[in-house]
Amino acid sequence: DVKVTQSSRYLVKRTGEKVFLECVQDMDHENMFWYRQDPGLGLRLIYFSYDVKMKEKGDIPEGYSVSREKKERFSLILESASTNQTSMYLCASSLRVNYNEQFFGPGTRLTVL
Amino acid sequence: AQRVTQPEKLLSVFKGAPVELKCNYSYSGSPELFWYVQYSRQRLQLLLRHISRESIKGFTADLNKGETSFHLKKPFAQEEDSAMYYCAPSHGSGNTGKLIFGQGTTLQVKP
Repeated sequence: DVKVTQSSRYLVKRTGEKVFLECVQDMDHENMFWYRQDPGLGLRLIYFSYDVKMKEKGDIPEGYSVSREKKERFSLILESASTNQTSMYLCASSLRVNYNEQFFGPGTRLTVL
Repeated sequence: AQRVTQPEKLLSVFKGAPVELKCNYSYSGSPELFWYVQYSRQRLQLLLRHISRESIKGFTADLNKGETSFHLKKPFAQEEDSAMYYCAPSHGSGNTGKLIFGQGTTLQVKP
């Protein structure tokens, strides 16, 4: 069974803290993605990676960075959390040959106080 | 600029009524088009893709290139269809295949 897991379902942080969101997939997928999901705005792509140590900016990369040291793991980093980063964060992965069928994790609801 | 629009935030229908969730896109070239669905407390998942011309859970979606639309339809809505639906064109470059998600439409099917 296809599995994408995210390290936390709920996270509460304070403004200015450094925040790490972890995503792991066990499907040997090449592509991995980070989105944020906000009501009325849909899903917006933050960053994606198509290979180990490779990353590309999505539509809203400001205030975020990512790390992909291993194929199965893709981390999203908020260097200095701000209240406008309160959101639901979704991780996804896909095969290179079937790149549009993305498999999603359960999401992390991040609240920044 | 590439854009996708789902004009309805909320669509509320009674069980057994027909359903049409609208999706309009503004793309150059020929994107692939997808519908993703998120049921309550479940993960976002692929519902269907236009290229395979499939029908999943009674839903179909026809690509109208003239109108640049990809509306999702079902003749008789069921309560279990209540969910958030996202239209997602893809205009991938190379092998990365970025999807652009619409704003989403919440479908509420009342008993």
